[in-house]
Amino acid sequence: AAGVIQSPRHLIKEKRETATLKCYPIPRHDTVYWYQQGPGQDPQFLISFYEKMQSDKGSIPDRFSAQQFSDYHSELNMSSLELGDSALYFCASSLATITAERGPYEQYFGPGTRLTVT
Amino acid sequence: AQTVTQSQPEMSVQEAETVTLSCTYDTSESDYYLFWYKQPPSRQMILVIRQEAYKQQNATENRFSVNFQKAAKSFSLKISDSQLGDAAMYFCASQGGSEKLVFGKGTKLTVNP
Repeated sequence: AAGVIQSPRHLIKEKRETATLKCYPIPRHDTVYWYQQGPGQDPQFLISFYEKMQSDKGSIPDRFSAQQFSDYHSELNMSSLELGDSALYFCASSLATITAERGPYEQYFGPGTRLTVT
Repeated sequence: AQTVTQSQPEMSVQEAETVTLSCTYDTSESDYYLFWYKQPPSRQMILVIRQEAYKQQNATENRFSVNFQKAAKSFSLKISDSQLGDAAMYFCASQGGSEKLVFGKGTKLTVNP
């Protein structure tokens, strides 16, 4: 079965540079979530999109922005990178309807993008 | 607002034995879902088991089962016949409707041969 695809898998940037992370959800999934997991920490919610509209916003810095495109893929843009932005960034997708096989809103995670800021 | 608390930073179990990981939560949502995710050293987030809060029956997935105590807001994970491949970080998470997941701090499980 198709899974969530994230690219790149690894990214090394210097301070004050810009990074773009991409997420391709499972086909027919209409909701995308972004999470940030720092070293030794639990994942923290950043932002989500439903049908290409922002649906919720968490502790996302103003330096970050994101959008969901017409093909449902999403991009997280990060500017003026700081050392503290070094983390694993997960994208998850879900289908906002109930199916016989699974309950509603179950989120499937991609493999993550490991961002290192030096 | 939702909060999730995992009071056991680390746990260990002997191979083939049973271990229980604890989780408590708090939520103002009337309709919510609870999950256990496994994160092995590869850092991939893998869904282990899910529980709909409106269901009284505890969820079970092969060797994994939960003890869901709604009144006590408790959601523990039991792993039976532990295997070396079960060694990982386990995160308890809650979700209100179609909203974000809120995670606990995690429990690192070690399986001893």
